[in-house]
Amino acid sequence: GENVEQHPSTLSVQEGDSAVIKCTYSDSASNYFPWYKQELGKRPQLIIDIRSNVGEKKDQRIAVTLNKTAKHFSLHITETQPEDSAVYFCAARNTGNQFYFGTGTSLTVIP
Amino acid sequence: DTAVSQTPKYLVTQMGNDKSIKCEQNLGHDTMYWYKQDSKKFLKIMFSYNNKELIINETVPNRFSPKSPDKAHLNLHINSLELGDSAVYFCASSQQSFADRNTEAFFGQGTRLTVV
Repeated sequence: GENVEQHPSTLSVQEGDSAVIKCTYSDSASNYFPWYKQELGKRPQLIIDIRSNVGEKKDQRIAVTLNKTAKHFSLHITETQPEDSAVYFCAARNTGNQFYFGTGTSLTVIP
Repeated sequence: DTAVSQTPKYLVTQMGNDKSIKCEQNLGHDTMYWYKQDSKKFLKIMFSYNNKELIINETVPNRFSPKSPDKAHLNLHINSLELGDSAVYFCASSQQSFADRNTEAFFGQGTRLTVV
């Protein structure tokens, strides 16, 4: 099956700074890469996604980049705010429509 | 309307018991999943199922079995519960069609299972 690795496992930034989370995947046939945010005690929710035929996507303060050749993708959050504090998961969907998740990054934004 | 709903939200039970968690989605999706989130927050896929195929993660004990009465439901049955089964279990669903804009997995609110 697919193997998704995610780094770092924890990340602390000052409010207003940027945060970057990186993931790699193993299955070159994976074609869709969503990012989820999970607040304490809640369900994971999609914040941004990217398909394999796109290299970069941006939505306000968040952006995702994908390098298919290197099989890695990254989440960038700019101008971080305290409400960005949560656990973030990357994921890769394979051709069997299965989603494999990274191990999560606990982001803390310090006011 | 809740897109993916699962019940119960909390489940406390003794070792050796058999329990079920129910999941329903009203999104018309063709694939449903069960994930286990342990204390380290890892989200591990247990099963994926559509009306054609059940895919089981090879690491899942056969005490766990999914049952799908129809396309909108995927229930999880667990036999002979063990302490190590304590975790949060998430149901999710997605649409397989790549042409569909909404291809992400939608999650239920989770079921916190505690085995004592």
